[in-house]
Parts: sequence; C-alpha cells; structure tokens
Amino acid sequence: GAVVSQHPSWVICKSGTSVKIECRSLDFQATTMFWYRQFPKQSLMLMATSNEGSKATYEQGVEKDKFLINHASLTLSTLTVTSAHPEDSSFYICSARDPTRGDEQFFGPGTRLTVL
Amino acid sequence: AQSVSQHNHHVILSEAASLELGCNYSYGGTVNLFWYVQYPGQHLQLLLKYFSGDPLVKGIKGFEAEFIKSKFSFNLRKPSVQWSDTAEYFCAVEGDSSYKLIFGSGTRLLVRP
Repeated sequence: GAVVSQHPSWVICKSGTSVKIECRSLDFQATTMFWYRQFPKQSLMLMATSNEGSKATYEQGVEKDKFLINHASLTLSTLTVTSAHPEDSSFYICSARDPTRGDEQFFGPGTRLTVL
Repeated sequence: AQSVSQHNHHVILSEAASLELGCNYSYGGTVNLFWYVQYPGQHLQLLLKYFSGDPLVKGIKGFEAEFIKSKFSFNLRKPSVQWSDTAEYFCAVEGDSSYKLIFGSGTRLLVRP
C-alpha cells in the first residue's frame, strides 16, 4: 500500500515555543491530507483538512491561528503548533488521500508532542 | 452531526475464540463505513470498507463486517482470532462526500495465546 511518513516521530518542547510537524506521501500525490489529534486512550479527532494550494479547512473548535497548516506540494503538508502549551501535548496523526487507490486514506505513524 | 460509538472498550479473548466488535453510527444520509486496525507501535491500517452493494464485506486477515442499515450498525467479526490480532480497532464513518472520517473511540483487543 501507499506510504505516509511523519517527522519528527516525537518532540519535546518548552511552553511558548512553536513546533512544526511534517507529513509526506512517499509514493503518491495527495491532493488532500488530513490532520488528526489523539488523546491517550481516546479516538482520533479530525482537526483540519489540508488541500494542496489552498487554505486548510478547520473543524469546529480548532484554533486555526494556533494550528497552522500548509500544504505546499502534492506530497507535503505541515502542521505548526504555535506558542505551544502543555494542553497541546498529544499524538498528532496525518493521513493522505490517494485518488489513484479509490481515494483511500493512508495514515502516517504519528508524532507525539510533549510540551513542558 | 455524525457520531460513531463502539460499545466495547476492552476485549480479552483466547486464541481461536470468535470475535465481534460493535459499531453504531448516527447519520441520516448515505454513509461509507470503515474499520481500521492499529497494531502496537504501528500506524493505522485499513481492514475493510463498505461503500455500497453487498452488506457483508470481507477484509484482510480473515475479518469481515456486516452493514445493517436499519440498525445503523457495522459490526466487525472474525471466526477465530489469533494472538497476532492483538491491536486497537477503530470504526469510522464518512458521510458527506468530503472524505472526512469520524472515528469511534476504539476497542483494544488482547488475544491470549
């Protein structure tokens, strides 16, 4: 199947700093990528839909100024957590939709963010 | 708003036992339904999906699921589980043609050898 990578796999940062997480589709072009957040022992919650070349669409309750999403190319989307606080600590997962494989979403391995 | 509920949060089975994980969704229109699996330390993988047609869907690794429209359910089944099926299973719904997935809370399955 298609491969989606995320970098970094884990990151620890100080409160108030910004962190950038990359999501790449390695062997296909993804016009749409999604960003999810997963709290411990809870499900994935969709944060935003990232479309190549246009602004991301955020789900209700997600602060777009805090979680900046950029989808600059067909294989790369980035999520920047700005001015991170301890409550932003979570597991962030991206997925990429492959239009050549029936629009199936392929998931990245996730990035664990810990804000001290 | 769409929602997905999975009734069992933790399931413990012995090898060769049969498995059924419940999933119910709320959405009034046409839905696409999915089951994903997350093995320890790995990323989410698609087990099976239902878009239309035969409501009994067969997926990978011997899993199957049945869509019962009248019950808004999409339960996952496997006749005989193996130790390697130990994982977390997520049911998901896509209902408004936006490709956005709404996930259930997940079920952690532990299969004892």
